[in-house]
Amino acid sequence: DIVMTQSPDSLAVSLGERATINCKSSQSVLNNANKKNYIAWYQQRPGQSPRLLIYWASTRESGVPDRFSGSGSGTDFTLTISRLQAEDVAVYYCQQYYRTPPYTFGQGTKLEI
Amino acid sequence: EVQLLESGGGLVQPGGSLRLSCLVSGFTFRSYGMSWVRQAPGKGLEWVSIITASGDSATYAESVKGRFTISRDNSKKTLYLQMNSVRVEDTAVYYCASSVGMWYFDLWGRGTLVTVSS
Repeated sequence: DIVMTQSPDSLAVSLGERATINCKSSQSVLNNANKKNYIAWYQQRPGQSPRLLIYWASTRESGVPDRFSGSGSGTDFTLTISRLQAEDVAVYYCQQYYRTPPYTFGQGTKLEI
Repeated sequence: EVQLLESGGGLVQPGGSLRLSCLVSGFTFRSYGMSWVRQAPGKGLEWVSIITASGDSATYAESVKGRFTISRDNSKKTLYLQMNSVRVEDTAVYYCASSVGMWYFDLWGRGTLVTVSS
């Protein structure tokens, strides 16, 4: 199974500043045939269901603000939230869908203001 | 409006059974793979099972294999999870989610809580 490890487990960022969350996979999730990284990012606000933010490591889902961006390739990935807003307080998860089953998630990163 | 509405959760004793349902509206249910993902209290997300759009193939997490069965009725736009021989560690909020291309999970329901306790 591919193990996903996020860092840090939690972080506090000031309003208007940048937040960076890292995700490392135990093996590469890059498909060399199509050059796609099989990584998604989700946001789970307190008391809510998860919400898809990013897929293919860097493609923003429709309706997601452009202050959210994803980057990385191979085994190392980053979710960046620029210009942090109060509504961004949430737990963020990365997920791999390269070698399934199982679909595996990171343990989550709690973002606070 | 897109909506995924889970139901069927509740309190069940260890070793018992429960069937969860997820009624979908607002998108073409028969065109999407569908999955169950659970979240134990205060914990992270754990994928449980996924089924193809046609319903002809399904896979399971090792932790539930042989005990849980996923199915769907495309005419009723409903996804199911039959949970048998439940264990205390199955206690969680169970979310249904649509899966684009059997890859990532783009739409999520609000979840239904399953509590396994004597």
